Amino acid sequence: GESVGLHLPTLSVQEGDNSIINCAYSNSASDYFIWYKQESGKGPQFIIDIRSNMDKRQGQRVTVLLNKTVKHLSLQIAATQPGDSAVYFCAENGGSQGNLIFGKGTKLSVKP
Amino acid sequence: NAGVMQNPRHLVRRRGQEARLRCSPMKGHSHVYWYRQLPEEGLKFMVYLQKENIIDESGMPKERFSAEFPKEGPSILRIQQVVRGDSAAYFCASSPTPGRAEAFFGQGTRLTVV
Repeated sequence: GESVGLHLPTLSVQEGDNSIINCAYSNSASDYFIWYKQESGKGPQFIIDIRSNMDKRQGQRVTVLLNKTVKHLSLQIAATQPGDSAVYFCAENGGSQGNLIFGKGTKLSVKP
Repeated sequence: NAGVMQNPRHLVRRRGQEARLRCSPMKGHSHVYWYRQLPEEGLKFMVYLQKENIIDESGMPKERFSAEFPKEGPSILRIQQVVRGDSAAYFCASSPTPGRAEAFFGQGTRLTVV
């Protein structure tokens, strides 16, 4: 089965609210995780990454949290904007060669 | 600095025809990854290539699919005798160093088999 999966396939939030997108992974040996944003008809766009020696990493309006105990990853988006509407994927490194294992994605819809 | 370029963006093929998808990595990147994305699904790794070498093709079907990354020119993903199940978006990513997973993705080629 897939190594990476998501709890919710869709998420709808009000503009200005915070969004939390969750991801579960099954390979405890994974040491690197990435969140991607994919807009309709486009390729995945790198948002933020985190290594397994960290619990939290912050970017501009985004925060990634890693809980290795329960193999859980989350992406928090502060003050969600309409432009944040997209499908969000978490991915983990599949090996030393750099290929990634993706989850199925969560579709984020932002209501004005 | 141009990003990863893929062409064509859209490709329609009849069953049994061949599909050729091209990927030009970012300047200075010599590592190319191909992924396939079915509708409503995440991306699935297919193959990893360096210039003139296939490093890992564990995700690529054994039959009808092949990939190359010649010394000169783009990387090519070739699908022979396409079937309806090959309809998907195919993405290419490039990286400057091996093992650097935050690869840069192209906009993809959407293959439709009719």
